[in-house]
Amino acid sequence: QITLKESGPTPVKPTQTLTLTCSFSGFSLSSTGVGVGWIRQPPGKALEWLAVIYWDDDKRYSPSLNSRLTITKDTSRNQVVLTMTNMDSVDTGTYYCAHRHRDFFGRAFDFWGQGTLVTVSS
Amino acid sequence: QSALTQPASVSGSPGQSITISCTGTSSDIGAYNYVSWYQQHPGKVPKLMIYEVNHRPSGVSNRFSGSKSGNTASLTISGLQVEDEADYYCISYTNIYSYVFGTGTQVTVL
Repeated sequence: QITLKESGPTPVKPTQTLTLTCSFSGFSLSSTGVGVGWIRQPPGKALEWLAVIYWDDDKRYSPSLNSRLTITKDTSRNQVVLTMTNMDSVDTGTYYCAHRHRDFFGRAFDFWGQGTLVTVSS
Repeated sequence: QSALTQPASVSGSPGQSITISCTGTSSDIGAYNYVSWYQQHPGKVPKLMIYEVNHRPSGVSNRFSGSKSGNTASLTISGLQVEDEADYYCISYTNIYSYVFGTGTQVTVL
């Protein structure tokens, strides 16, 4: 059974760096084809894809946020960490991590965490 | 990579069919058949409804179907039901191994 859970600080002050952790179980990020992505959603707004890290440590970022994002994995601890620098109020929202596999569900994000609400406020 | 374009809202009466479009480019929707659709009720986690353009995960009603032509994908809900009222998002895998979501569509059952 695949589960994911996001954790991170809130509130975050403007200009600070946000560090979010995705802790998962039921799969290994060292298995061929596996990836974990991050998606966010400001209150009342659309989903936005942020980043993904693959089993082979390949990393991809949203072009609009590329300069602010870093995604890493700790395979032994079953965790993925996303950092976002220079936080602003427009970054307030719910942040989700999600699983995907190259060979299943057409590379869609099939399992999601419950999300963590990040508030940026001074 | 800009967000995929969806209509902001679509509505229909119970029993009717509605279609939501999702327009991208040759770098995303047009590049692969890796287009998915999610349903999201208020305050809930998005639920995968369609993957790989027209495949339904186990447990998803066959009233939901997907298609694609060129750079545009579509989600059709037939036999519209009250519980279908939600936000719907398309997402596409891209030719640089990243992803891009659609702008989202609010479905209202009249």
